[in-house]
Amino acid sequence: QVQLQESGPGLVKPSQTLSLTCTVSGGSISSGSYYWSWIRQPAGKGLEWIGRIYTSGSTNYNPSLKSRVTISVDTSKNQFSLKLSSVTAADTAVYYCAREGGYYQPFDYWGQGTLVTVSS
Amino acid sequence: QSVLTQPPSASGTPGQRVTISCSGSSSNIGSNTVNWYQQLPGTAPKLLIYSNNQRPSGVPDRFSGSKSGTSASLAISGLQSEDEADYYCAAWDDSLNAYVVFGGGTKLTVL
Repeated sequence: QVQLQESGPGLVKPSQTLSLTCTVSGGSISSGSYYWSWIRQPAGKGLEWIGRIYTSGSTNYNPSLKSRVTISVDTSKNQFSLKLSSVTAADTAVYYCAREGGYYQPFDYWGQGTLVTVSS
Repeated sequence: QSVLTQPPSASGTPGQRVTISCSGSSSNIGSNTVNWYQQLPGTAPKLLIYSNNQRPSGVPDRFSGSKSGTSASLAISGLQSEDEADYYCAAWDDSLNAYVVFGGGTKLTVL
């Protein structure tokens, strides 16, 4: 059974860079034709896809966030990571990592989510 | 403002059938399949329906999905109290660099 777990600071100051890591267990991040995504959800609001990475390193980003987002993968640690620069209070949200079951496939496994608050 | 449009709320009594709509455009629902996610309070979303009308293993057949043109629907029959949750539709959008778009979510209340 694949499991995903987000980790990282719960508090980030405005204008700084938010950094999160997702650790995948129960399977190799490199096996299969899976994509690995980040999705966020502000309190009381809907879901927003941030971007994804394939184990080859190829990425796709939400156009609205593309200028501030970097997603990377470390296959040796079975992890992938998110960096979001120049954060503001609007970036405060629960951040989820998720597995996409293939090209244009749904998110079939999700992490439990981690709350990141942007505040001074 | 979400790219896909869902009603913010829906409700029904136990045993009833309810439907939740999801409206998009030619660049998302009109071109790609629709997935539905169920989010119980305080938990991560869970895949409920994929490829418009397919149920993952373990999802009761009370849940069904359909798609026509640039709209999709989720139907829940034999409504149960444990179905009270937020429901989100999602699809890929090909208008710019391809990216995933979600609906704003529908909060289902079981009366």
